[in-house]
Amino acid sequence: AQTVTQSQPEMSVQEAETVTLSCTYDTSESDYYLFWYKQPPSRQMILVIRQEAYKQQNATENRFSVNFQKAAKSFSLKISDSQLGDAAMYFCAYRSVGTSGTYKYIFGTGTRLKVLA
Amino acid sequence: DAGVIQSPRHEVTEMGQEVTLRCKPISGHDYLFWYRQTMMRGLELLIYFNNNVPIDDSGMPEDRFSAKMPNASFSTLKIQPSEPRDSAVYFCASSTTGTLRIADTQYFGPGTRLTVL
Repeated sequence: AQTVTQSQPEMSVQEAETVTLSCTYDTSESDYYLFWYKQPPSRQMILVIRQEAYKQQNATENRFSVNFQKAAKSFSLKISDSQLGDAAMYFCAYRSVGTSGTYKYIFGTGTRLKVLA
Repeated sequence: DAGVIQSPRHEVTEMGQEVTLRCKPISGHDYLFWYRQTMMRGLELLIYFNNNVPIDDSGMPEDRFSAKMPNASFSTLKIQPSEPRDSAVYFCASSTTGTLRIADTQYFGPGTRLTVL
């Protein structure tokens, strides 16, 4: 069975600085998708960034980028120029490609990010 | 698009009562997921549907929980009878199967905070 591990329950970063959140996963599949979701105090889950496992190039979305190491099964999120609005719980998620509509997401336990002014 | 819509946003009920949570997925999405989030257990997948058909309900905790999707634009999660340990935030999410290997993405609703006294 696939697992997703986020070993950092909480992280802090100074405003305008850079922070990296860690995520590791375990799978025997060769094709899958990885995601980072953000959950602010409003509780709504917001997609931050996604990565297809077959792509070697790391995904980037504005200030957010990932370091995807397929062999190491590592998928870290880097937030550059941190802003107060980035404060939230961040979840790493894994999704298998699946066949015939059978697949599901597996979420990590989350990392709470605090941004210090 | 209005996004995934959930109602009610907050529900307070007494033990033994029936609770019904509602979800309207994003138009055109063919997958619908129900999650439960608690401090102790994190984000748990309860059940998901594909084209209105339940695919995997292995996450449903007990027979007290049931979910239906009578059509592509509406789903319910029912708890009968409710118990204090059912208190949690319940999320609905929807997604669509990507084409050309485009990763599908789950879009979450704002959640329903359920409190069972």
